[in-house]
Amino acid sequence: NAGVTQTPKFQVLKTGQSMTLQCAQDMNHNSMYWYRQDPGMGLRLIYYSASEGTTDKGEVPNGYNVSRLNKREFSLRLESAAPSQTSVYFCASSSIAGTSTDTQYFGPGTRLTVL
Amino acid sequence: AQTVTQSQPEMSVQEAETVTLSCTYDTSESNYYLFWYKQPPSRQMILVIRQEAYKQQNATENRFSVNFQKAAKSFSLKISDSQLGDTAMYFCAFMKLQTAGSYQLTFGKGTKLSVIP
Repeated sequence: NAGVTQTPKFQVLKTGQSMTLQCAQDMNHNSMYWYRQDPGMGLRLIYYSASEGTTDKGEVPNGYNVSRLNKREFSLRLESAAPSQTSVYFCASSSIAGTSTDTQYFGPGTRLTVL
Repeated sequence: AQTVTQSQPEMSVQEAETVTLSCTYDTSESNYYLFWYKQPPSRQMILVIRQEAYKQQNATENRFSVNFQKAAKSFSLKISDSQLGDTAMYFCAFMKLQTAGSYQLTFGKGTKLSVIP
């Protein structure tokens, strides 16, 4: 099993450009998440999808949009990238968000630089 | 909102020795979960250990164990027989059981552990 996969691994954008980060999981999990990690900080939740067909904001949602394409896939879109969005982005999945089965499994991350 | 504090930004330990990483949290909840995640230089986040607040028994996973003090809101990680592969950032995280639409998993800022040969 691949677990949680993310594409791309690295990306450089210019200010104002748009892009979509892709995430897929093969563990039949219901819930998926997008985090960002900045230097000296822990992970901060951007958006999550508790189940297919639902999405909700996390701690830092401004400047991002998400789509839960199906049970396996959850994408993160930056419509107009800003230097403040330079970060490492992690996707994660878990069985059911906020329950006793909620142990998250993470993808390898995407390092995004916005110039 | 919950807060998670890791007071040791960096630590080092000799190979084969034991080290303890500290974590404290602030919450008014009584039912929650605590986690330790490891992030090696590869950046992959890996679950090390998980503790349910309602369980008095401390969780253990091979060389990793926790000291969970609910009244003190403390959740430390002990690594025994340290190995070079334990070199990584370690993050403590807190999660409370919530209804849909209000999910929150809060991470500390991490402790960088170096295992010295």
